[in-house]
Amino acid sequence: AQKVTQAQTEISVVEKEDVTLDCVYETRDTTYYLFWYKQPPSGELVFLIRRNSFDEQNEISGRYSWNFQKSTSSFNFTITASQVVDSAVYFCALSERSGGGADGLTFGKGTHLIIQP
Amino acid sequence: DSGVTQTPKHLITATGQRVTLRCSPRSGDLSVYWYQQSLDQGLQFLIQYYNGEERAKGNILERFSAQQFPDLHSELNLSSLELGDSALYFCASSVGIQTSSYEQYFGPGTRLTVT
Repeated sequence: AQKVTQAQTEISVVEKEDVTLDCVYETRDTTYYLFWYKQPPSGELVFLIRRNSFDEQNEISGRYSWNFQKSTSSFNFTITASQVVDSAVYFCALSERSGGGADGLTFGKGTHLIIQP
Repeated sequence: DSGVTQTPKHLITATGQRVTLRCSPRSGDLSVYWYQQSLDQGLQFLIQYYNGEERAKGNILERFSAQQFPDLHSELNLSSLELGDSALYFCASSVGIQTSSYEQYFGPGTRLTVT
């Protein structure tokens, strides 16, 4: 069965610090997809990134970067020069391709990120 | 704004009652997903519909049911409500059938409080 673990329940940093959110996943499939979502205090879930299991290249989008390492089953998310607006709960999620791929996302418990001014 | 709409935003009801949550997907999206977010269970996938047909079931209770209509909007019906059903219910939509291949866009959620 698939599983996503976000061991960091809460992280608090001061603005402009870099912060890394950890995500470790378990799956028996060789083909799978990983996602990150952001849930700001307003409550909606905002899509950040989708990565397939065959693409281990790191990705950078502005201050956000993602490090995918199949060897350690991790898909970590780094925010560089954090800002107060980055304060939110961040979720890592997994989807397997088995069974035709028609299924939902399996989410981790989330990491509550607090950026202090 | 994701383009996914959900009504109502808040719902307060009593134990034993039945409620219906409504979702309209983004224009062009054929898949609709329902998720439940609670403090103890976290975010859990409930059910997926694609173009009017049920495609996948997650941890959905037998007291809960859903459907997707010809205009692609979806409804989640919750019956015989219990205190533990209090949660934030999200609807998400995507263009295709495969969860892995397409990103899901989430609505603002419906907060259900059962008293």
